[in-house]
Amino acid sequence: EVQLVESGGGLVQPGGSLRLSCAASGFTFSSGFTFSGYAMSWVRRVPGKGLQWVSTISGSGGVTYYADSVKGRFTISRDNSKHTLYLQMNSLRVDDTALYYCARMPTILSSMDVWGQGTTVTVSS
Amino acid sequence: QSVLTQPPSVSGAPGQRFTISCTGSSANIGAGFDVHWYQQLPGAAPKLLIYANNNRPSGVPDRFSGSKSGTSASLAITRLQPEDEADYFCQSYDNILSGVVFGGGTKLTVL
Repeated sequence: EVQLVESGGGLVQPGGSLRLSCAASGFTFSSGFTFSGYAMSWVRRVPGKGLQWVSTISGSGGVTYYADSVKGRFTISRDNSKHTLYLQMNSLRVDDTALYYCARMPTILSSMDVWGQGTTVTVSS
Repeated sequence: QSVLTQPPSVSGAPGQRFTISCTGSSANIGAGFDVHWYQQLPGAAPKLLIYANNNRPSGVPDRFSGSKSGTSASLAITRLQPEDEADYFCQSYDNILSGVVFGGGTKLTVL
């Protein structure tokens, strides 16, 4: 069974930085599911609001996509040898406060079929 | 303001049938991109409910179904049960924004 576990959230002041990680397990060559065979995404849920897509990275890591609200401030990356996804968040703003989820998707056009439990980011002075 | 529009809330009694709409535009649903639906129970991560417009992942009851027409999509829930009380979100791709878009979400309350 594929599992995703996020970490790295916390309390940070406006203008600060955080790096989120998402560790994936259950991807095995014998099952035919390899980590590098899937795009991965970050999605956030703001308290009292809906889901907001943040960023997606292709399986190889060579193509990245960002929501306009985070473009230029956030950087998505992945280490396929470690089965880990990252989100470097710089110049954080109060409105970045949310529960951040990582999710697996075959391509950016696909559904997100496996989700982590999320890590909370609070931006406040 | 979400790119995909959903009703903010719906409510109903156990056993009823409900439909949740998801309205987009020619840049997303109307451009032919698939629509996916998620259920988020209180305190839990989102769960994939319907993928590629009308397909159920293994383990999702057949009380849930999806459809798509033109620039809109719908999620239907039949024989409503108390455990269906949750937030429901639609998702697609937008070729003007070049990214994933979600609906604003619909809170389903079972009376």
